[in-house]
Amino acid sequence: RKEVEQDPGPFNVPEGATVAFNCTYSNSASQSFFWYRQDCRKEPKLLMSVYSSGNEDGRFTAQLNRASQYISLLIRDSKLSDSATYLCAVNSRSFGAGTTVTVRA
Amino acid sequence: NAGVTQTPKFQVLKTGQSMTLQCAQDMNHEYMSWYRQDPGMGLRLIHYSVGAGITDQGEVPNGYNVSRSTTEDFPLRLLSAAPSQTSVYFCASKAGGAHTGELFFGEGSRLTVL
Repeated sequence: RKEVEQDPGPFNVPEGATVAFNCTYSNSASQSFFWYRQDCRKEPKLLMSVYSSGNEDGRFTAQLNRASQYISLLIRDSKLSDSATYLCAVNSRSFGAGTTVTVRA
Repeated sequence: NAGVTQTPKFQVLKTGQSMTLQCAQDMNHEYMSWYRQDPGMGLRLIHYSVGAGITDQGEVPNGYNVSRSTTEDFPLRLLSAAPSQTSVYFCASKAGGAHTGELFFGEGSRLTVL
């Protein structure tokens, strides 16, 4: 079993829609969780860290569920500029394969 | 701000050739790492280092060597390139411990092995 697994998508949504996807991890002792954004042919960049209490950054909300060992990312009011691949990361070391989101006009 | 700098950005090799991907960071980060990214596979950790003089293997270390003689530099060596090593390689660094903190990535090195 892979250490980190993600919904691969692709999620194809209209502007203004809400999209959400998950990432599961296998190591219950994992300490840190992150969402990175990767644009086509570019390097990953941190979108947000994920805290136990959940956290929000503008239109983005991240949740951590330790009991079920997954993290989630929700994007509200999607913009064309949100089109990207979203990578979850665990322990600043292990990455999921990415979830591709395409926002259409 | 330079951040993490990788060279070269593109490289074509023949099977059996050797080469070194260079990585330098100017953020005084103790932790540095190398990943490869292949379609559908995500980022896979090749080697990492928690400080000068210390290196360790990641998930897919075979065929690659690293060294960390300074805090700033973390080169990745391909000893005898194989077509299976065709990939995009990312170097990353971060502050903090081995399992916490934001990773800062270089722009990537696209390697093709014929």
